[in-house]
Amino acid sequence: GQQVMQIPQYQHVQEGEDFTTYCNSSTTLSNIQWYKQRPGGHPVFLIQLVKSGEVKKQKRLTFQFGEAKKNSSLHITATQTTDVGTYFCAGRVGGGYQKVTFGTGTKLQVIP
Amino acid sequence: GAVVSQHPSWVICKSGTSVKIECRSLDFQATTMFWYRQFPKQSLMLMATSNEGSKATYEQGVEKDKFLINHASLTLSTLTVTSAHPEDSSFYICSAPKLSGGAYNEQFFGPGTRLTVL
Repeated sequence: GQQVMQIPQYQHVQEGEDFTTYCNSSTTLSNIQWYKQRPGGHPVFLIQLVKSGEVKKQKRLTFQFGEAKKNSSLHITATQTTDVGTYFCAGRVGGGYQKVTFGTGTKLQVIP
Repeated sequence: GAVVSQHPSWVICKSGTSVKIECRSLDFQATTMFWYRQFPKQSLMLMATSNEGSKATYEQGVEKDKFLINHASLTLSTLTVTSAHPEDSSFYICSAPKLSGGAYNEQFFGPGTRLTVL
């Protein structure tokens, strides 16, 4: 079945440093979504990427979708303590209400 | 964004009892909802897709007789964990996709239900 891996599993950074998490799918995706889950909370949608090679920015966050639509990345510039949490990518095969497969997640810890 | 609620937020039950978890989309209709479980420090594992007016679709390895899903209306899906055992203790989260332009949509998650089986 479809597998979505993320690296690294954990990342500790000093506040102000940059952070990147990488997402790789075993199959070609129709789109990919990114979610953030704070400790004790539920996943919150961040963004969706659809087009091959697409790059989207949200303030300090930059999201990329690979040309082959099998990988993606999330880059955070100048991390802040509010960025703490686990970041999941979620890949969808097909459109509409097709299910997504969540990646393994990257837990980010920001040291003040 | 859209709002999805879950009830209860946490439950403790004795082994062998059944527990029902409700998932509601409060401000939109959801013909499809998804049920996930999440073990500590792990990712979300899809258990089943709940379809309004028809049978749920279960993922491989998920016992449909143990995890009963009912999607009785366009805003409510329920997950019943039957004859719960300690290994069923987990964080159960539902989500509902909402169309937001085109064929693609984002999922809105409920706050989750923490189940502890003694």
